[in-house]
Amino acid sequence: EADIYQTPRYLVIGTGKKITLECSQTMGHDKMYWYQQDPGMELHLIHYSYGVNSTEKGDLSSESTVSRIRTEHFPLTLESARPSHTSQYLCASSDTGAAGEKLFFGSGTQLSVL
Amino acid sequence: AQSVAQPEDQVNVAEGNPLTVKCTYSVSGNPYLFWYVQYPNRGLQFLLKYITGDNLVKGSYGFEAEFNKSQTSFHLKKPSALVSDSALYFCAVRDINTGKLIFGQGTTLQVKP
Repeated sequence: EADIYQTPRYLVIGTGKKITLECSQTMGHDKMYWYQQDPGMELHLIHYSYGVNSTEKGDLSSESTVSRIRTEHFPLTLESARPSHTSQYLCASSDTGAAGEKLFFGSGTQLSVL
Repeated sequence: AQSVAQPEDQVNVAEGNPLTVKCTYSVSGNPYLFWYVQYPNRGLQFLLKYITGDNLVKGSYGFEAEFNKSQTSFHLKKPSALVSDSALYFCAVRDINTGKLIFGQGTTLQVKP
């Protein structure tokens, strides 16, 4: 069973607040990812990291930022939340290896900005 | 650019009947293809992958997928559907240039008793 954890599971917050979504994995994976998903819709990659101190923007433009100070931790921050940020955020990780490595996903954070 | 398409938003089948969830891909070179499943209020789970070898790939929960190079397809199949298979299914292809997974838009599978 994959060991990747996201907190909080649900978050309702007012406009303008700063928030941080936590993601941690205990598998020692080098690669970590953040995806954004609207209900029943496709996943969009918003950030990824191939290791400590490595972060890249994904395919979908996002106002969020990420950091990777430790291998196991990949938090996502919104400096000023807006209603357009309402979505589900999924964190994932994979190890560095063969091209066919699979992703392990957390349970997601459902964010609602009022 | 690498891409995948899932032409059906929703697939409805009766329990016990075979199911197929369609996926087509567009890549340059050999494709690395994946299927993931998302149960309600859960994270995505890996089902199976195709890298090389046999065109019929077997995965978790009795699912399998058939790689068809001439039709650029990677359809997900199961011989006998269960109500518990009802979920959102995503096909994905690995971008060989960046290594990132590119997901399709997802297909909702509804299995009725």
